[in-house]
Amino acid sequence: GQNIDQPTEMTATEGAIVQINCTYQTSGFNGLFWYQQHAGEAPTFLSYNVLDGLEEKGRFSSFLSRSKGYSYLLLKELQMKDSASYLCAVNNAGNMLTFGGGTRLMVKP
Amino acid sequence: EAGVTQFPSHSVIEKGQTVTLRCDPISGHDNLYWYRRVMGKEIKFLLHFVKESKQDESGMPNNRFLAERTGGTYSTLKVQPAELEDSGVYFCASSQSPGANVLTFGAGSRLTVL
Repeated sequence: GQNIDQPTEMTATEGAIVQINCTYQTSGFNGLFWYQQHAGEAPTFLSYNVLDGLEEKGRFSSFLSRSKGYSYLLLKELQMKDSASYLCAVNNAGNMLTFGGGTRLMVKP
Repeated sequence: EAGVTQFPSHSVIEKGQTVTLRCDPISGHDNLYWYRRVMGKEIKFLLHFVKESKQDESGMPNNRFLAERTGGTYSTLKVQPAELEDSGVYFCASSQSPGANVLTFGAGSRLTVL
């Protein structure tokens, strides 16, 4: 079956660093995506990993270990606007994405 | 470029009624997807169009749901008759290519069935 786990909620302080973990068990693997979603808005693409290692894009980085079925999203220099839900999703070798439940991040001053 | 547009943003209907949701993908995107998120659950795949053809409809919950994409441009998702468990947010997404390509999502249509 398909299973993607990520924490439901996290809280962090403005200016700090936060790491959101995602573990997955899927029948196939063709890449892992992270999306950001503010309430009532469209999920927006943050990062894509298909090979092991770290992908860095400004304040956001994403890591993948395929052997461990594990990824994390690292957010540095947190800003208040980073308060949102972060969605981990796996493309499991079809044309569909399998999503985790999302992690709601609250950034406090 | 314009993003993925969905209409209506929110619909409230009674059980047994019919609702039609519309999605306008990014111009030139052949691949169009429908997903939905029911209360407290994760976003789940419903179906995938390539142009006007249904490539994969394995996620459609039952025959009360009908998706169309006549002409390969915009798509509609009709729920008839609606049931209470159909309440949730219906997302549309599009991409130029299938597979491990980035999907651009719309803001979703929130459906409330009373």
